[in-house]
Amino acid sequence: QVQLVQSATEVKKPGSSVKVSCKASGGNFSTYAISWVRQAPGQGLEWMAGFIPLLNTPNYEQRFQDRLTIVADETATTAYMDLSGLTSDDTAVYYCTYLGDFWGQGTQVTVSS
Amino acid sequence: QPVLTQPPSSSASLGESARLTCSLPTDLNVKSYSIYWYQQKPGSPPRYLLYYYSQSDEGRGAGVPSRFSGSKDVSANTGILFISGLQSDDEADYYCMIWPSNASPWVFGGGTKLTVL
Repeated sequence: QVQLVQSATEVKKPGSSVKVSCKASGGNFSTYAISWVRQAPGQGLEWMAGFIPLLNTPNYEQRFQDRLTIVADETATTAYMDLSGLTSDDTAVYYCTYLGDFWGQGTQVTVSS
Repeated sequence: QPVLTQPPSSSASLGESARLTCSLPTDLNVKSYSIYWYQQKPGSPPRYLLYYYSQSDEGRGAGVPSRFSGSKDVSANTGILFISGLQSDDEADYYCMIWPSNASPWVFGGGTKLTVL
């Protein structure tokens, strides 16, 4: 069974960047199967990015295209999400998920001046 | 604005059944997609429940009881999550999702808050 452990809560200033990590363990898996989903306070789930199967190419939700980078480190079995140009609208819980089946515990990112 | 439409709320009585719907826009034919369902309780990550494509192609997540099942109403272009024998622990938010293709984004519904009376 895959387990995903995410990095700790972050508080950031507007205009800055945040990097969230997601350490996978517990099975024979590919880090390229990890996607990123966020949830703003009181809101629903929003897919941000993942990797196209077999190609292992990042695939971004269009509205994040210019400021989001995801990386899969197979050796470290860790995935990373880097979001730049933060605004208060980016305040949310960020989740990594393995194929939608297994989910990390979430990382709270708060953007505030 | 979510592409998949879910009623914001639904309620049903303890021991009874709940039918949660997920409507696709007219340009997406529900017959062509697997519908994925997630349960989320406050302060917790989503929990994968099941997917439904057809009667011969469906599956539940690990540990998900058979009280949870999926179906489709093709005439209404809608995916359905059916929960029988409602328990108080079923009170949660439920999200549907489709993944149109390997190179496309996942698309979530806005979620339905289920209250067990």
